[in-house]
Amino acid sequence: GENVEQHPSTLSVQEGDSAVIKCTYSDSASNYFPWYKQELGKRPQLIIDIRSNVGEKKDQRIAVTLNKTAKHFSLHITETQPEDSAVYFCAASKTSNQFYFGTGTSLTVIP
Amino acid sequence: GAVVSQHPSRVICKSGTSVKIECRSLDFQATTMFWYRQFPKKSLMLMATSNEGSKATYEQGVEKDKFLINHASLTLSTLTVTSAHPEDSSFYICSANPGTDTQYFGPGTRLTVL
Repeated sequence: GENVEQHPSTLSVQEGDSAVIKCTYSDSASNYFPWYKQELGKRPQLIIDIRSNVGEKKDQRIAVTLNKTAKHFSLHITETQPEDSAVYFCAASKTSNQFYFGTGTSLTVIP
Repeated sequence: GAVVSQHPSRVICKSGTSVKIECRSLDFQATTMFWYRQFPKKSLMLMATSNEGSKATYEQGVEKDKFLINHASLTLSTLTVTSAHPEDSSFYICSANPGTDTQYFGPGTRLTVL
């Protein structure tokens, strides 16, 4: 089955700096890679996703890159703000199938 | 669109009792729903895939007789934790797919077994 690893487990950045979270996956058949943000006690919310036929995707301050050959993908948050503080999860799946989540990254943005 | 609800949001029960958690897709039909378990400050662990009209598919290590799943309609899946024990205390979250790649999550159910 799929194995998704995520690093770092915790990350603290100063407000305005960038944050980068990295994930690797094991199943070369995985073709869909979403990123979720989860605030304490709340449901995970999709923030951005990328499919295997695309190398990079950007949405305002958030971007995701995918390297299929190396089987890794990364989340980039620029100009971080305190409200970006949350736990972020990456996931890998074969389209419309089960999601396998990374272990999560607790991001703290220091004002 | 793509709203998923869960009920109850929080439940406290005595050891040995059974607890039912409902997951509903409010504005779309879902032939497949997923159930996850999340421990504090930990990741989402996929427990099982709920299939409308057929048996659920359980992940390795998840007891199907302990965690009963019923997907009775295209908008409702239920998870019943049978003979609950304190070690079953956790945050249970369901998700559903509205026909796109993305899964949308319910708000979760906090189960505490005394």
